[in-house]
Amino acid sequence: ETGVTQSPTHLIKTRGQQVTLRCSSQSGHNTVSWYQQALGQGPQFIFQYYREEENGRGNFPPRFSGLQFPNYSSELNVNALELDDSALYLCASSSPWGATYNEQFFGPGTRLTVL
Amino acid sequence: KQEVTQIPAALSVPEGENLVLNCSFTDSAIYNLQWFRQDPGKGLTSLLLIQSSQREQTSGRLNASLDKSSGRSTLYIAASQPGDSATYLCAVLARETSGSRLTFGEGTQLTVNP
Repeated sequence: ETGVTQSPTHLIKTRGQQVTLRCSSQSGHNTVSWYQQALGQGPQFIFQYYREEENGRGNFPPRFSGLQFPNYSSELNVNALELDDSALYLCASSSPWGATYNEQFFGPGTRLTVL
Repeated sequence: KQEVTQIPAALSVPEGENLVLNCSFTDSAIYNLQWFRQDPGKGLTSLLLIQSSQREQTSGRLNASLDKSSGRSTLYIAASQPGDSATYLCAVLARETSGSRLTFGEGTQLTVNP
């Protein structure tokens, strides 16, 4: 059973650019959530995808968008990058609601630096 | 709005000491609580999950308790080792009208000195 994987591991962009981050969920998991973790802080919920639809969103502007594919992998897209978008972006996958106590399994993260 | 607080923010102990990390949350309508470990610049490793109906969970030298009514959880680490040095994060899972989300505390940075 493979765990949650994310790519790339590191990324450097300049202000105003666009970025796409990728996540492959753990085998058997159909729900993917994305979190942003600024340095020294706890992760903040961005949004969740279930069956290819957005299924809940945190307090993030519309320039943060996502996709989920039929194989349950997911993308996080950020447009018009700002300096404050510099953070570790974490992806978590989980089983269908009610299975395995909804334990969340996290990937290694993508470190995004915006200059 | 759910808020999660972790105390202390940082802790430095000598090897072999038993220690307790504290987590409190404001809304008791949670589905479960997870404790995670995070090494610098890395992702989160799940340590223990406690369902809302449970009082505690144990794994090796780790024991986590949950008192949902008072909004508190503790993570007990026995016989600490230098390899335990990391940031420990507490998170509560709530089901919402649409989906579910984890709300995290800001973590306790633990250093275990040889």
